[in-house]
Amino acid sequence: DTEVTQTPKHLVMGMTNKKSLKCEQHMGHRAMYWYKQKAKKPPELMFVYSYEKLSINESVPSRFSPECPNSSLLNLHLHALQPEDSALYLCASSQGPNYEQYFGPGTRLTVT
Amino acid sequence: TQLLEQSPQFLSIQEGENLTVYCNSSSVFSSLQWYRQEPGEGPVLLVTVVTGGEVKKLKRLTFQFGDARKDSSLHITAAQPGDTGLYLCAGALNAGNMLTFGGGTRLMVKP
Repeated sequence: DTEVTQTPKHLVMGMTNKKSLKCEQHMGHRAMYWYKQKAKKPPELMFVYSYEKLSINESVPSRFSPECPNSSLLNLHLHALQPEDSALYLCASSQGPNYEQYFGPGTRLTVT
Repeated sequence: TQLLEQSPQFLSIQEGENLTVYCNSSSVFSSLQWYRQEPGEGPVLLVTVVTGGEVKKLKRLTFQFGDARKDSSLHITAAQPGDTGLYLCAGALNAGNMLTFGGGTRLMVKP
């Protein structure tokens, strides 16, 4: 099973809303990632969790707050987002930080 | 300047044609992956290459890792409309480093 699942598939939220994106994998991977992808661009790394600890935060604004409740789950809490935060948010997992990554289908986020 | 440079950035061809996409760097990578991404979906891993000079085939797709492990190519034979998508290369410099993505090649195969 090489599946990474993400929910919701689509999300529309206002600038004052609080919402969460969820990601799950059952491959026993110990590294999990959040990426942001704008149209026609490659994914941009936001956060890396390794063994359930935040190991990389690529200078992401505090309105994005990651959480790793356990080795299979990764959340991204959203609060007071801006319209420019609208993008495809991708979750990925891998055996370790420099191993091949498996991506979920993404959450299409629109901030109004 | 990106660590991994992909070329071409965009390619539009007719069904049945062959094509090659390149992924180049001045740095040595311990491994390199190729992904294909369709609009609105996540990237799907196609292959991982780890040995210099390695060649891997996946049906009509042939992947090659350069002898010096600084570059890679993806060759598609007899392209089909289903091959349309964004092709991404990504590499790890060494143990403990994150994957670095190339800028992507957007392929359109017309019927």
